[in-house]
Amino acid sequence: SQQGEEDPQALSIQEGENATMNCSYKTSINNLQWYRQNSGRGLVHLILIRSNEREKHSGRLRVTLDTSKKSSSLLITASRAADTASYFCATAPSNFGNEKLTFGTGTRLTIIP
Amino acid sequence: GAVVSQHPSWVICKSGTSVKIECRSLDFQATTMFWYRQFPKQSLMLMATSNEGSKATYEQGVEKDKFLINHASLTLSTLTVTSAHPEDSSFYICSARTGQRKTGELFFGEGSRLTVL
Repeated sequence: SQQGEEDPQALSIQEGENATMNCSYKTSINNLQWYRQNSGRGLVHLILIRSNEREKHSGRLRVTLDTSKKSSSLLITASRAADTASYFCATAPSNFGNEKLTFGTGTRLTIIP
Repeated sequence: GAVVSQHPSWVICKSGTSVKIECRSLDFQATTMFWYRQFPKQSLMLMATSNEGSKATYEQGVEKDKFLINHASLTLSTLTVTSAHPEDSSFYICSARTGQRKTGELFFGEGSRLTVL
């Protein structure tokens, strides 16, 4: 089964609203990362949160990490049409770091203009 | 940020032929590169870790004779899909790590879409 399970699988919201995506994982991690993928394109790194951090901000992005619940959330505030993409969480295990990044199932976000 | 280039971005081939995909780090040296496979609307699955000057490390279930990986220089890794079949049709993505630390940031290529007829 997937190390990372994301919820919801798909999300459609109006432009300007906030979008929240959740990610759960199973094993101990060194860090957790969020990536964006536009349709048919490569991945763009958004933000990395280390296992000893609880919250991190980058522009309109806010990521939280709860290692006790093995879960993370990505919040995109004031969404824009250009935010339409698939978003993946990826976990780097404690012993392998980024050598063994495991990706979640992804959330397909659609921003309605 | 660092740039990773993949070529070709898409390729169509006949069953039985071999296809080579290149992954280049354009402005940094990458001792380690990673190859992933992505099926439509699914997640990325790590196929193998490519180390410059040594043999690649394949994930469980990935046929090393089917997916040949060569990392001949610090800026180039290649994935060759040998004797391709329609089930090999997929989106292949590489990433490269800057620096030696295992927690170094990864940069991803734009991906290569392979369609086998």
